[in-house]
Amino acid sequence: QSALTQPASVSGSPGQSITISCTGTSSDVGSYNFVSWYQQHPGKAPRLMIYDVSYRPSGVSNRFSGSKSGNTASLTISGLQAEDEADYYCGLYTSGGTQVFGGGTKLTVL
Amino acid sequence: QEQLVEFGGGVVQPGGSLRLSCAASGFTFSSFAMHWVRQAPGGGLEWVASTRHDGSNEYYVKSVKGRFAISRDNSKNTLFLQMNSLRAEDTAIYYCAKDIADSYYMDVWGRGTTVTVSS
Repeated sequence: QSALTQPASVSGSPGQSITISCTGTSSDVGSYNFVSWYQQHPGKAPRLMIYDVSYRPSGVSNRFSGSKSGNTASLTISGLQAEDEADYYCGLYTSGGTQVFGGGTKLTVL
Repeated sequence: QEQLVEFGGGVVQPGGSLRLSCAASGFTFSSFAMHWVRQAPGGGLEWVASTRHDGSNEYYVKSVKGRFAISRDNSKNTLFLQMNSLRAEDTAIYYCAKDIADSYYMDVWGRGTTVTVSS
């Protein structure tokens, strides 16, 4: 399976915007639009925030947005709030029914 | 509301077996693909296995292929993960997750059940 690379940590102040990257290769992220993003607070189950690169499930704030350029997908959180502090994982469906997650990024709200 | 509850975790010796169950409620279980995802202590998420809404196809991460088997009983709204030949590296919280349809995105998650492989 593929490996997706995320920064280990990012930080921002309340009200600011941050972007978390998820880098793959031309064979995975660059070839498929089946990118998702999950938020996980400590001790909790993950929560789907973005799917199909840029679609938000019902109930997810429009402060969360997703995009993709080449081999890199990105999650942007605008108007940063204290409750956004969590771990974030990108996910990718590849051929053959398999999936892979990135290593995760810890977001700290300063 | 939509809910998933996992059962069956525990402590098992290397080489042993466990069967995890996931009881679903609040939605039409037979209409959705289902997934197992695990998280090792202090680690990230790892997709483990998926099954289509009708159980017609099964998919596995390479590290568990041949040792784990995902299955479902749509008449009982239950998902299973049979885990054989367990290794220390299988130690993790195992989450059951519902798909948004019959695809690859997980919109409802259980609280997880802990599997510890240790002698």
